Order: sequence, then C-alpha cells, then structure tokens
Amino acid sequence: GAGVSQSPSNKVTEKGKDVELRCDPISGHTALYWYRQSLGQGLEFLIYFQGNSAPDKSGLPSDRFSAERTGGSVSTLTIQRTQQEDSAVYLCATSGGFSGRAGETQYFGPGTRLLVL
Amino acid sequence: SQKIEQNSEALNIQEGKTATLTCNYTNYSPAYLQWYRQDPGRGPVFLLLIRENEKEKRKERLKVTFDTTLKQSLFHITASQPADSATYLCAPGGGYNKLIFGAGTRLAVHP
Repeated sequence: GAGVSQSPSNKVTEKGKDVELRCDPISGHTALYWYRQSLGQGLEFLIYFQGNSAPDKSGLPSDRFSAERTGGSVSTLTIQRTQQEDSAVYLCATSGGFSGRAGETQYFGPGTRLLVL
Repeated sequence: SQKIEQNSEALNIQEGKTATLTCNYTNYSPAYLQWYRQDPGRGPVFLLLIRENEKEKRKERLKVTFDTTLKQSLFHITASQPADSATYLCAPGGGYNKLIFGAGTRLAVHP
C-alpha cells in the first residue's frame, strides 16, 4: 500500500488481558515510531526504531509495554495485563530515516483505538 | 522538562478571515519545528517544516514563523475555508527526528 497501515482499527479488551497492535510501514522507510494519544491530549512518544540500531524505548510508560520490529519492516506493540488507563489511540508513524537529515516528515497511520473495560 | 503549549480552547473564525495559531515551547532548543493537521479519527498529516535559521516559511495559504528568541511559532491560514476546520499540532524537533507534539488547537471555520 501507499501509506502506513495499522490493525486492528479498533480493539476492545478486558482489564488484565494482553493486546497486540500492528503497524505496516511505508515500503523502504527505515524509521518507525509509536505514539499514544489520549482523548483531547497531544501525542505521547512511546518508542522509536531506526534500521538495525537499538530502539529508543525512553517513552514506554511501564514494563507492560514492549515493541518489536521484525526484519526492519512490520512492527508490533504489545501491552500486557492491560489497565483502563491504557485506553487511547495508538498511532504508528514512519519516515525515510536517512541519517543526518533532521526534520524528516513523519507519515502516520490511522491509529488503533484501544478501549480497556 | 520540555513543554509545548498550544491554545487549548478552540479557535472559531469566519470564512475568508486569517486564522493564527500559536505554539510556545520551554526548556527546549529545537533545530526545527513541524506543523501537522489532524482530522477526527485520523492520524496527523504533515503540513510544513521550518528550521531554526528560517524566520518564515510559506506554502499556498499557509505561513509559519519561528522565533527562537521568543521560543514561539505562529501558524497562519489566510482566506480560511470550512475545509480548514481541524486540529493543528505543533511539533518541535531535533536530533534524529524525535518530535515532541503539543496537544493541538482545534480550528473551526464557519461559513
């Protein structure tokens, strides 16, 4: 596809369950970001992948959150033992990731709306 | 800690007028600043980028200014249209493209 895709588009789960959110980046983009957006709030940075480098996990709110990026392409964000405060829209973005070129445009997916009951 | 402030209240303007949105940041010296548009239920879409050595950047009806002394960026939409109604996010950045997003300002353009 031409853009960033995310699945599922909506997810309702019960407190304590684990969830996996998927991001398919634009082909060739080496940089991938996960953000969280709570209602009426700005985007909260979670994690950043760049090529084969170690990811920047500095935004993950707790050890219940983890993310992987397989083969430099698809990424999965996993939330274990979900809590009600995890309810939010989870957005994935990618960019070309050319090193040294600061300020690249980030292309966002439509997001996954997570509701924890 | 780094903080981005955008008008939390919605901006309501009449069609044809110029909309001006403000972004202030503190404890931060970004090398560049991006503006994004977000429609309900969608991910943000990139609009403009301005670098620290640029005072002003234009694209069609959009104009962005960047004052590193005031630590402020202004985003203008001239000849506004109802289709411009959306939330606009400010995102100063630096380094390896790690952006910090403001909460956004909702713009409503009335016919």
